[in-house]
This record gives sequence, C-alpha cells and structure tokens, in this order.
Amino acid sequence: AQSVTQLGSHVSVSEGALVLLRCNYSSSVPPYLFWYVQYPNQGLQLLLKYTSAATLVKGINGFEAEFKKSETSFHLTKPSAHMSDAAEYFCAVTGGGSWGKLQFGAGTQVVVTP
Amino acid sequence: DAGITQSPRHKVTETGTPVTLRCHQTENHRYMYWYRQDPGHGLRLIHYSYGVKDTDKGEVSDGYSVSRSKTEDFLLTLESATSSQTSVYFCAISEGLAGVYNEQFFGPGTRLTVL
Repeated sequence: AQSVTQLGSHVSVSEGALVLLRCNYSSSVPPYLFWYVQYPNQGLQLLLKYTSAATLVKGINGFEAEFKKSETSFHLTKPSAHMSDAAEYFCAVTGGGSWGKLQFGAGTQVVVTP
Repeated sequence: DAGITQSPRHKVTETGTPVTLRCHQTENHRYMYWYRQDPGHGLRLIHYSYGVKDTDKGEVSDGYSVSRSKTEDFLLTLESATSSQTSVYFCAISEGLAGVYNEQFFGPGTRLTVL
C-alpha cells in the first residue's frame, strides 16, 4: 500500500522567501506523486505531478518538486513566496494495487507574512 | 474550470437523520469520487464509481452508500447521520483512472454538520 507523510502541518514564510514543503512517501512499487493546492473555501487544484519522465517537475504558479528515490521524498519548493501562495497544500500518491485511488497526506497550511 | 457542482453547499442536520449529497458533472467523465476532508487527515476516499451503476468502496466507506444512475450524477447517502460524519465532502471526477494521464478535478465541497 502507498502512503505519504507531510512534515509540518503549518509553515509560515515571509513574502519573497523560499517556500519548502516536505513530503515523504512509502510505496512498494514505483509511485506516481502529486501536489495539490487548496485555497480557502475551494476544492483542490493540481499543482504538479511526477510520472517518472523527469525527477525535477515544474508546476503552475512557479512551484517545482524534485523526486528523490533514495530519500523517498517529493518536496515542493518555490524560490520566492507571494501573498497569494497562502493556502493548504497536499501531497498525494497512487500506483500499484491502488492505481486510480489517490492517497493524500494530512496537508500543510502555508501562511505568508509581509 | 471543470464543470462540477455539489449540492447542497452547506447542511446542518441532526443525528439519526438520512442525508443525501449530490455531485453533478458536465464533463462526461467516466470516473467519479467522493472524499471527506478532516483536519489532520487530509482527504480520504469514501466511494468511487467507474461507470453507471458501477461503484466500489474506498478507505472510509462505513456508514455511507452511493448510487450512480446517470453518467453526470453521483449521490452520496448517509443512511443515519452521526456526529463523526461532520466533515467537508468533496466530489472529484476524472476521464480515466486518476494518475499519470488523467487529472482528478475537484468540486467546491459540501460542509456537513451533524448535531
């Protein structure tokens, strides 16, 4: 079975600072990994996905994530935070016997301070 | 935005009453999903459907049932609501199995409170 662990339920960053959100996965088969963002009172929106084509994945809104098999990690970064990045971010995994069913992490709430 | 609507958007009900939530899509996607979102748990899959009248259980299906009589509608029913079912419920759709080639699109959510 697949699972993901997001380190840190809340992250506070200053506007213009690096955003780093951590996600570690557990999977017995090569995983497909995703990052979603949820703005207040809205549904989830796909930021980016890892599909084994490239280990560094670029997404929308300036975010990117790097797949590191040796560390079983898929951390999300953005070089310079913007006030509009304030949201909740979810890492998710699918693959193997759970193909088509996304397993989500608990989420990380990002607060951006001026 | 993907054409997904959920109704009602907010509902307050009492313990023991039946509740039905509706998800409606205009994308003609084959797969539909129901999730619940709770603090500290992220989203957890309740049930999903891979076609009209074809449904299967997810991770937290106890106390919930679903039906899909038309491609565009996926209903989630709480036969006898309990306080532990207070949550935000999200519907999602995908053209094929969610993963590499098929993005999962989410509806706006339904906030359910069971008193």
